[in-house]
Amino acid sequence: ETGVTQTPRHLVMGMTNKKSLKCEQHLGHNAMYWYKQSAKKPLELMFVYSLEERVENNSVPSRFSPECPNSSHLFLHLHTLQPEDSALYLCASSQALFLTGNTIYFGEGSWLTVV
Amino acid sequence: AQSVTQLDSHVSVSEGTPVLLRCNYSSSYSPSLFWYVQHPNKGLQLLLKYTSAATLVKGINGFEAEFKKSETSFHLTKPSAHMSDAAEYFCVVSGNTGNQFYFGTGTSLTVIP
Repeated sequence: ETGVTQTPRHLVMGMTNKKSLKCEQHLGHNAMYWYKQSAKKPLELMFVYSLEERVENNSVPSRFSPECPNSSHLFLHLHTLQPEDSALYLCASSQALFLTGNTIYFGEGSWLTVV
Repeated sequence: AQSVTQLDSHVSVSEGTPVLLRCNYSSSYSPSLFWYVQHPNKGLQLLLKYTSAATLVKGINGFEAEFKKSETSFHLTKPSAHMSDAAEYFCVVSGNTGNQFYFGTGTSLTVIP
């Protein structure tokens, strides 16, 4: 069991659906991340939040919309996705940003299939 | 700029034999280095990390890694492979400000009974 919990673990959605991925961290961390992991491709950083403020958005399409209501929770709202968005979406957290030796801890991931 | 190269995309070993997964890094500063393991259908689990203390770092499940600045390497080793070690392994380097993480492309480890 990790200190970062993601739900749902599996999600199948149509291209016209709206769904959300949820992440909760129980580690008392101040920074949270969304990563995308596709087959045969390196891990891609999508968004970074620090103390509920978005600090990085790596050219992610607007059909992905993050939300960080507090430092323990992170959402990824999904709408009008494409089949190529099918991937494992990993949430992570770290104690803070700009911290020497900063370490990120990952959740189990949410498998997304867009049909 | 920071980057990391995992030299082997796939490694296959027999159960009970040593494991060596190779990682070279590039960093303009004194880096922090990490190894993560990902079992099938799971997230990434931290195996060990180096943050400028002892150069030989011990992690979980019998793994260890040695930081060699002169060779810019951070290879992961284990004396005796177990079937449960079969997984994907990622080498990661962080920037000097601690807010950027650079992932290798991963090494898939197969353990043969």
